[in-house]
Amino acid sequence: GQNIDQPTEMTATEGAIVQINCTYQTSGFNGLFWYQQHAGEAPTFLSYNVLDGLEEKGRFSSFLSRSKGYSYLLLKELQMKDSASYLCAVKDSNYQLIWGAGTKLIIKP
Amino acid sequence: IAGITQAPTSQILAAGRRMTLRCTQDMRHNAMYWYRQDLGLGLRLIHYSNTAGTTGKGEVPDGYSVSRANTDDFPLTLASAVPSQTSVYFCASSQGAEDTEAFFGQGTRLTVV
Repeated sequence: GQNIDQPTEMTATEGAIVQINCTYQTSGFNGLFWYQQHAGEAPTFLSYNVLDGLEEKGRFSSFLSRSKGYSYLLLKELQMKDSASYLCAVKDSNYQLIWGAGTKLIIKP
Repeated sequence: IAGITQAPTSQILAAGRRMTLRCTQDMRHNAMYWYRQDLGLGLRLIHYSNTAGTTGKGEVPDGYSVSRANTDDFPLTLASAVPSQTSVYFCASSQGAEDTEAFFGQGTRLTVV
């Protein structure tokens, strides 16, 4: 079966750095995505990785290792507005997105 | 530009009733999707459409049907609602199935009682 695993919840302090991990087992691979979802709102796109390595976009970076079936999302200089759920998703061989359950990130002052 | 719009925002529905959730996008995207999101679970694909006139079944299609008569609209119908269909439903679209980014509507919170 296809499976995406990520921690259920994490807590971090404002101004700090946090790393959210994601491991996956899917039928084929056509890219890994990270989305942000604030409570009661729609998911919004953060990043996309299809090749191994690090993609940096401002305070957010995403890393991929296809051989290990592993990715992480790194958030730097945390702000209170970063409190949200972070969803990891993989596009399988049929180009359908398989989603993890999401990691709820709580930022404390 | 509105992007992608869902209606209604929320609904309480009696079991056994028929209900259509509406989804409209103005981005001329070819691919559209319906997901349900339940607490503790990832988004699960119900149905999808890679282009107008075609539809496909996702992971959890039972009890739902869709149509794609044109590019902009992708309604989701529950023929006879059951309590297990209580969920938040999200419609999404992308330029193509292979595209890197999907855009989501604001969601419809459906409660079946």
